[in-house]
Amino acid sequence: DQQVKQNSPSLSVQEGRISILNCDYTNSMFDYFLWYKKYPAEGPTFLISISSIKDKNEDGRFTVFLNKSAKHLSLHIVPSQPGDSAVYFCAASAVGTGTASKLTFGTGTRLQVTL
Amino acid sequence: ETGVTQTPRHLVMGMTNKKSLKCEQHLGHNAMYWYKQSAKKPLELMFVYSLEERVENNSVPSRFSPECPNSSHLFLHLHTLQPEDSALYLCASSQDWDRGITDTQYFGPGTRLTVL
Repeated sequence: DQQVKQNSPSLSVQEGRISILNCDYTNSMFDYFLWYKKYPAEGPTFLISISSIKDKNEDGRFTVFLNKSAKHLSLHIVPSQPGDSAVYFCAASAVGTGTASKLTFGTGTRLQVTL
Repeated sequence: ETGVTQTPRHLVMGMTNKKSLKCEQHLGHNAMYWYKQSAKKPLELMFVYSLEERVENNSVPSRFSPECPNSSHLFLHLHTLQPEDSALYLCASSQDWDRGITDTQYFGPGTRLTVL
């Protein structure tokens, strides 16, 4: 049973437009959410996170929105750039699941930003 | 070196071989992790070490054996693997706070393992 779902395996967006990547989760104990970006032949790179006490967190071109009632979060990239082309993973964890953070990952969405 | 490094980057081994993957973190963190990424599957957590003690073993077969000699180094010893174990093996580290507060995990580049 997948607790973190990214239902769109791929997304294509034109340069300069907004990219919206979506993520749904089922475990109501999750209270911390992260987005990672992964280029081929590299490990995932942390992008942005949000705690469940917030509904929005912004960092430059990247904004993450959290809708706890819908158990849904999204990553907005504005404006999209060709260098944003990568696989984006959504991850979630729950405080108190142990002494070290246990992340549950989605399957990823491949974003292609076209010229 | 900065961040999290992993060696080797690529490994091809037979089913009867014994090999080890190495991970080193230069971030001063006290928790380290092994993940497995197979094609079209989410990253799967394998092992977690916090303060050099294993705190999580996610039902991983015994042919995978982790070792954490200190807070900066993590090994994954491999023996008698199966072809279905072919995957990208990722190491990560984070700062673990006793109160269970989650902190960001930083990943290494991974080892691409092929088992023949």
